[in-house]
Amino acid sequence: SQKIEQNSEALNIQEGKTATLTCNYTNYSPAYLQWYRQDPGRGPVFLLLIRENEKEKRKERLKVTFDTTLKQSLFHITASQPADSATYLCALGAGGFKTIFGAGTRLFVKA
Amino acid sequence: EAQVTQNPRYLITVTGKKLTVTCSQNMNHEYMSWYRQDPGLGLRQIYYSMNVEVTDKGDVPEGYKVSRKEKRNFPLILESPSPNQTSLYFCASRLAGPHTDTQYFGPGTRLTVL
Repeated sequence: SQKIEQNSEALNIQEGKTATLTCNYTNYSPAYLQWYRQDPGRGPVFLLLIRENEKEKRKERLKVTFDTTLKQSLFHITASQPADSATYLCALGAGGFKTIFGAGTRLFVKA
Repeated sequence: EAQVTQNPRYLITVTGKKLTVTCSQNMNHEYMSWYRQDPGLGLRQIYYSMNVEVTDKGDVPEGYKVSRKEKRNFPLILESPSPNQTSLYFCASRLAGPHTDTQYFGPGTRLTVL
């Protein structure tokens, strides 16, 4: 069955460092992959989408890579700040309008 | 302001008592979807709708119904709720097209079934 995995353990980093989150998937070839941010008690907020023919995408301090051979996406936050602390979700397009989400990785940025 | 609204935000009910969670968007989006979020499992898609009167099952549709009579509204119906439907529910919408970037989520409805 289709499976999408993110680091289940929380990621703790120091302010100013680069945070790198991993998303791996199996048994599927998605046309695109998305990243969302979710704060406690709130709905996910869309951050970036990367398509299968794109290797890398950037938006301000965010960078996403997509390796269809490794079936992996990496999400980077450079110059991280305490305000970046949240849960980050990856999601892949599973055909048509179906979307499959990972369980998310919690990021803590210490001042 | 572009937004997706859900009501109620919190609901405690008992097994078997029919309930409806409403979802409305003001962005004229064709696509709407319902998800449930459980610890360790992430967001799982329940149903989605590509447009008025067009709906399809997601990964976990059992025990749920939806309808899409108007473009802006997409209610989620639990005909006979059971305790395993206790969860955090999110409605989402976006423009049509599989590669459209932004999917907007509502604030969530926390449902407890006793």
